[in-house]
Amino acid sequence: NAGVTQTPKFQVLKTGQSMTLQCAQDMNHNSMYWYRQDPGMGLRLIYYSASEGTTDKGEVPNGYNVSRLNKREFSLRLESAAPSQTSVYFCASRAGTGIYEQYFGPGTRLTVT
Amino acid sequence: AQSVTQPDIHITVSEGASLELRCNYSYGATPYLFWYVQSPGQGLQLLLKYFSGDTLVQGIKGFEAEFKRSQSSFNLRKPSVHWSDAAEYFCAVVPGGTASKLTFGTGTRLQVTL
Repeated sequence: NAGVTQTPKFQVLKTGQSMTLQCAQDMNHNSMYWYRQDPGMGLRLIYYSASEGTTDKGEVPNGYNVSRLNKREFSLRLESAAPSQTSVYFCASRAGTGIYEQYFGPGTRLTVT
Repeated sequence: AQSVTQPDIHITVSEGASLELRCNYSYGATPYLFWYVQSPGQGLQLLLKYFSGDTLVQGIKGFEAEFKRSQSSFNLRKPSVHWSDAAEYFCAVVPGGTASKLTFGTGTRLQVTL
């Protein structure tokens, strides 16, 4: 099992460009999450999907959109990138009700110039 | 406000020395508690977790953590640190009840000197 995979690993964007970060999990987990990690701030939740067909905002949703394409895949879209979105983005998944640990992908390092 | 605090931003220990990383939380009920480790350029790996029961939990890589309700703490320990333990360590909390989202501390970076 690959666990949680993310593509791409690295990306450089110019201000105003758009892109989609892809995430897939092969653990048959119900819930999926997108985080951003910035120095000294830990991980902050952007959006999550408690189950297929549902999405909800997290702590820092502005400037992002998500799509839960199916049970395996959860994508994060930046419609008009800004330098403040320079960060490392992590996708995670969780099995479901009553199980609270999350499993993380390797991350995408995004730079917006 | 509900929060998770890791008071030490950076810790340096010698290889073979013992280690304790601190984590405090402020939630009304006993939350679900986790420690994750992040090696440079990598994702986060779950080290251990506490839900209920025995307050001393064992994890992977020789780590353990002790839940102390009276101190609202969940400190991570290792008796003898190896150079490969150099990484960033995150404490995380799920408040419990119907909540399911993780809240992370800001992390402690561990440096190991030879």
